Amino acid sequence: EAGVTQFPSHSVIEKGQTVTLRCDPISGHDNLYWYRRVMGKEIKFLLHFVKESKQDESGMPNNRFLAERTGGTYSTLKVQPAELEDSGVYFCASSPFMGGDDTQYFGPGTRLTVL
Amino acid sequence: GNSVTQMEGPVTLSEEAFLTINCTYTATGYPSLFWYVQYPGEGLQLLLKATKADDKGSNKGFEATYRKETTSFHLEKGSVQVSDSAVYFCALRGGGATNKLIFGTGTLLAVQP
Repeated sequence: EAGVTQFPSHSVIEKGQTVTLRCDPISGHDNLYWYRRVMGKEIKFLLHFVKESKQDESGMPNNRFLAERTGGTYSTLKVQPAELEDSGVYFCASSPFMGGDDTQYFGPGTRLTVL
Repeated sequence: GNSVTQMEGPVTLSEEAFLTINCTYTATGYPSLFWYVQYPGEGLQLLLKATKADDKGSNKGFEATYRKETTSFHLEKGSVQVSDSAVYFCALRGGGATNKLIFGTGTLLAVQP
């Protein structure tokens, strides 16, 4: 079974540009999470989808970040316009419907560099 | 609020040495506790977990015991190998509707032959 995949693996953009990150969760997983790790600090929660609905977006830093999960399958995270402090590694994770195995399975991450 | 504190790295050990990576937490209620590992070039993998006080999680020779009295979840391994070189993250899940994980800053472990 395929794991969580993320695209691209690396992205280098200039300040003010737009970048869209994509996450494909494990097939059948209702829960999808976005996290990011900035400058070697702790990994911080951004938001949580249950199917196509946003369950918790309390970790989104500001309105330059927009996450979507149309159809409850893959998700995108758009940063527009990007700022220098947005550089970091963005992780996606998925887990099955809550109540059973609730382990979060992580993707390899997208390393974003804003110049 | 909930938080996790883990020891600063990097930790450099010789092969077959004993490993301890300290992790303490602050949380309301009864969180679940996790250790995740990130090998070079790969994503985060769940290493072990414990869901209630006095539980011991174990995997691949690593162990951690959920100590409520000291609010700790220290990671240990009796004999490390070069292949254990990675970044280790301690995390908690406080429950509630979101199930979000709260991570520590990560500890880089380098094992030398």
